[in-house]
Amino acid sequence: GAGVSQSPSNKVTEKGKDVELRCDPISGHTALYWYRQSLGQGLEFLIYFQGNSAPDKSGLPSDRFSAERTGGSVSTLTIQRTQQEDSAVYLCASSRLTGLSGANVLTFGAGSRLTVL
Amino acid sequence: AQSVTQLGSHVSVSEGALVLLRCNYSSSVPPYLFWYVQYPNQGLQLLLKYTSAATLVKGINGFEAEFKKSETSFHLTKPSAHMSDAAEYFCAVSERDSNYQLIWGAGTKLIIKP
Repeated sequence: GAGVSQSPSNKVTEKGKDVELRCDPISGHTALYWYRQSLGQGLEFLIYFQGNSAPDKSGLPSDRFSAERTGGSVSTLTIQRTQQEDSAVYLCASSRLTGLSGANVLTFGAGSRLTVL
Repeated sequence: AQSVTQLGSHVSVSEGALVLLRCNYSSSVPPYLFWYVQYPNQGLQLLLKYTSAATLVKGINGFEAEFKKSETSFHLTKPSAHMSDAAEYFCAVSERDSNYQLIWGAGTKLIIKP
């Protein structure tokens, strides 16, 4: 697509429920990131996918969080047994990263706003 | 470890006044440097980036930033603020030999007074 598409744009759920957030990156972008942005805060790195390499999961805050990327394209971030502190905007970004050199420019989606009641 | 500091979580300027948003990084080797803007309820959008070609970088919407190695700074400026510039601005850096991971500043919310 022309841009990074995220769905749903808004999700309200009850504490303890599972949620899935979807990201459709720009076609041809090999790198995909998930970030969390809490109210008034900066960007918190969650996970990074690059091609067929093992993802960098170092930012996932707990084992309730997981993500997968199927076929090198669409990614799903899953949060199990949601807690109120999970309420935030979840941003997905992709980039045409082909190596370790060169400036890595990210294109962001509009985000999925998660509210846990 | 690399770090990014944005001075001032909120900056308020009058319409037509100079905009100056500060960003300092910690690396001793000049990294790649970026400024992104986030308008309300939107994702982040690249304003400009520094790679090494020129120390003064021009971006979209009349913004520019100057890389100063001696000060480890990459401050963002715009000569005359417009109401439409009201947004949150993020500075980010990445190492030249490990460019996949960006380190982000905490962001500066720019408020434009009429």
